[in-house]
Amino acid sequence: GEDVEQSLFLSVREGDSSVINCTYTDSSSTYLYWYKQEPGAGLQLLTYIFSNMDMKQDQRLTVLLNKKDKHLSLRIADTQTGDSAIYFCAESMVSNNNDMRFGAGTRLTVKP
Amino acid sequence: DTAVSQTPKYLVTQMGNDKSIKCEQNLGHDTMYWYKQDSKKFLKIMFSYNNKELIINETVPNRFSPKSPDKAHLNLHINSLELGDSAVYFCASRQVGDYGYTFGSGTRLTVV
Repeated sequence: GEDVEQSLFLSVREGDSSVINCTYTDSSSTYLYWYKQEPGAGLQLLTYIFSNMDMKQDQRLTVLLNKKDKHLSLRIADTQTGDSAIYFCAESMVSNNNDMRFGAGTRLTVKP
Repeated sequence: DTAVSQTPKYLVTQMGNDKSIKCEQNLGHDTMYWYKQDSKKFLKIMFSYNNKELIINETVPNRFSPKSPDKAHLNLHINSLELGDSAVYFCASRQVGDYGYTFGSGTRLTVV
C-alpha cells in the first residue's frame, strides 16, 4: 500500500453519512475500486470507477474522483450498523496483469 | 456454490513445519492470485498465475511456492514456517477484461 493511502479509522452514528477518503500516487491508474471486508471474511467488491469519470452513484454509495489531486472518496448515505467493516481503496492500470494495489484499509465503526 | 474457496480456513502449526493452503475457483477465471494480509490489515500481493504461468512474484521468500495443477486451482506451499508468516492469506481470481477480483474468505495461519 505505499502507493495508496487511507486514514485508518472512521466512526459515525447510525443514520449519518460516512465519507472514506483515499489518495493514490500513480497517475496512470485507470481503474479505482472500493472493497468491503467484514470480520472473518474476504474482500467484496463494492464499486469501481474509471479514471475518466468524476462521479459514480449506486444506491447509498457515491464515489467521487478528483484525478488532478489523485483523490478518491466513498460516501455511504444513511449509514447502518451493517456497514461496519474495513473499506479498502485500490487502483490498477490497463495491462494484461491488471495488478491491483490496495490501501491499508479504513475501519468504519457505526454506533447506534 | 462458493466462487473462490480456500482450505483450510484456520491453520495453526509449529515453526519449521511445511504446510499448504489450497484454492479453487469455479468462475472460469484465467488469473488467480495470492495475497497476504498482516495484523494491520495491510494487503500485499504475493503471486499471480495466468494460464499456468507465474506473472507476478513480489519480494516473497522462496520458502513460499505457488503451484497450479490447472486453471481452476492455485495452491500455496510454505516451507520451514516462521513466526512472521502468521497472517491471513487470501486467494483471488479475475478474468482478463473484467474489473476487480473475486476473493476467497481467507486462511488464517498462526505459527507458534
